[in-house]
Amino acid sequence: DAGITQSPRYKITETGRQVTLMCHQTWSHSYMFWYRQDLGHGLRLIYYSAAADITDKGEVPDGYVVSRSKTENFPLTLESATRSQTSVYFCASSESTWAGGTDTQYFGPGTRLTVL
Amino acid sequence: DQQVKQNSPSLSVQEGRISILNCDYTNSMFDYFLWYKKYPAEGPTFLISISSIKDKNEDGRFTVFLNKSAKHLSLHIVPSQPGDSAVYFCAASSPGNQFYFGTGTSLTVIP
Repeated sequence: DAGITQSPRYKITETGRQVTLMCHQTWSHSYMFWYRQDLGHGLRLIYYSAAADITDKGEVPDGYVVSRSKTENFPLTLESATRSQTSVYFCASSESTWAGGTDTQYFGPGTRLTVL
Repeated sequence: DQQVKQNSPSLSVQEGRISILNCDYTNSMFDYFLWYKKYPAEGPTFLISISSIKDKNEDGRFTVFLNKSAKHLSLHIVPSQPGDSAVYFCAASSPGNQFYFGTGTSLTVIP
């Protein structure tokens, strides 16, 4: 199916375990983003990528690692999960830089992660 | 520190009436603003945007107003429909920088 997909949709893990959340888009968008949504905080940017092999930190990057070897994939890894990382994670993509202010970010359906 | 604020966590409106959702920001460098709509168990979807060179943008039933001096924007939905019931996020950015999102307002349109 065309669009942006995330997997898994739901994940329960334990403190200290490594978890990888997957994101795949079929539009060949240059930019991809990872956000987390928490009550009282809205959506906060974790990491973003301007192109394959180019990534940069967002507002809340600590405890997360990203990679982008292919344009269409942008996995997010929690190297040692903590309870504070319990959240809903959204991946997004856009076809142009936000510098011009004319782009729109398209979001995936989200992954609900619970860290016990 | 929250740079984009939505001070009303929820709003209820009768079907057919106007819904007004508000958003305030603190960074005077923000020059591009968007509204997203989010249904439960789905990702946010883009609704409408406005750049700082305008003070109003319309798209069908949706109008966004920008008051730069007050650092305030609002989304008007007229007439409101039950299908508009969702969480609405405003977001803002400055050139070359990330988007900052508000905490969201949950709109309920009562039939």
